[in-house]
Amino acid sequence: DAGITQSPRHKVTETGTPVTLRCHQTENHRYMYWYRQDPGHGLRLIHYSYGVKDTDKGEVSDGYSVSRSKTEDFLLTLESATSSQTSVYFCAIKNRADTEAFFGQGTRLTVV
Amino acid sequence: AQTVTQSQPEMSVQEAETVTLSCTYDTSESDYYLFWYKQPPSRQMILVIRQEAYKQQNATENRFSVNFQKAAKSFSLKISDSQLGDAAMYFCAYRSRSTGANSKLTFGKGITLSVRP
Repeated sequence: DAGITQSPRHKVTETGTPVTLRCHQTENHRYMYWYRQDPGHGLRLIHYSYGVKDTDKGEVSDGYSVSRSKTEDFLLTLESATSSQTSVYFCAIKNRADTEAFFGQGTRLTVV
Repeated sequence: AQTVTQSQPEMSVQEAETVTLSCTYDTSESDYYLFWYKQPPSRQMILVIRQEAYKQQNATENRFSVNFQKAAKSFSLKISDSQLGDAAMYFCAYRSRSTGANSKLTFGKGITLSVRP
């Protein structure tokens, strides 16, 4: 257990509403990532963080924003959810010395 | 930018047999890591095996081994003595060895492995 928790685990929301997903870690890892998983696309990087208040865009960042005001929390916000954002979202963490990243359990988000 | 390609969407293997999952990647870097992750129906992402590009020896973890061909940019996973619990989706992934903003994983699209009893 790498001490990473995603919340909520499941969420159904309506088109046009704001949604925030939370990734919480207890390991003081420097790097945190948000991925989305869709059939036929594997996992695609949305945003990542390499330190408090240091974030950058991934390959599918449109429609998403992130914030990291403290080491342990990395928030992913959908400002106005769309049906194309229905997906499974994974958070991952890694430290500088780590070779691999550790993943949370995933959040299944459905936008109706 | 780095890319990872898994061209086979599905494969099937008989229990106790051996199966090989293919992966190719593209990069201009010389130092990097390659990974195979397993995702069972529980959705959890489980690291199966990793390979450091500077190591010529292929990585092995019990029944799992890789065939790493750096010049060909190929990284296949061999599962020996397949078990029913091996049924899952498998992802190949790449990460640069550099730190900072480049320290992110790039995944292939995945392959669904089924195991026939």
